Amino acid sequence: DIQMTQSPSSLSASVGDRVTITCRASQTITTYLNWYQQKPGKAPKLLIYAASSLQGGVPSRFSGSGSGTDFTLTISSLQPEDFATYYCQENYSALTFGPGTKVEIK
Amino acid sequence: EVQLVESGGGLIQPGGSLRLSCAASGFTVSSHYMTWVRQAPGKGLEWVSVMYSGGDTYYADSVQGRFTISRDNSKSTLYLQLSSLRAEDTAVYYCARGRAVGTIGWALDLWGQGTLVTVSS
Repeated sequence: DIQMTQSPSSLSASVGDRVTITCRASQTITTYLNWYQQKPGKAPKLLIYAASSLQGGVPSRFSGSGSGTDFTLTISSLQPEDFATYYCQENYSALTFGPGTKVEIK
Repeated sequence: EVQLVESGGGLIQPGGSLRLSCAASGFTVSSHYMTWVRQAPGKGLEWVSVMYSGGDTYYADSVQGRFTISRDNSKSTLYLQLSSLRAEDTAVYYCARGRAVGTIGWALDLWGQGTLVTVSS
């Protein structure tokens, strides 16, 4: 089974900051990697699919990159509505999620 | 409006059974890859089961043999039958629609609001 890890597990940032979250797969998944945002009490929301493609309606300050085993989600200028937990998910074999990264207000 | 609405959650004793429903509107579940994902209280997301448009089904090892995914095309509703429930099955259960990405990949582009299952005596 493919294992997914994320770092950091949490971070504190200010509005306007550039934020980077990393995700690593235990084996190559080429670009079969999605990113989701989840706010408390809400369902997850798809942000990025195929490692770098922006889902429709998602602000352009979100971007994804990477291939193989190492991936990155970047928020170019953090906005108040971006404070949430972010999950990566491989879709190369099963739909294994990473453990999540909580982005908190500094 | 395109949406998914789950129902059927509740408090159930260990060893018991429950059926969750996920009603789709604005599209037909039979034409899509449909999944169940769960989230234990304060924990991360765990994929549970999938049904492909062609009817093939797959399960996570943690629920294999205890949970059954099915659908009613006439009602455009997805189901998850939960049996032999354990305390560790306590979670919010989400249904989600998959969209094909690339040759073999899927992204979950539409989610329901979730339904809480609590397994406790």
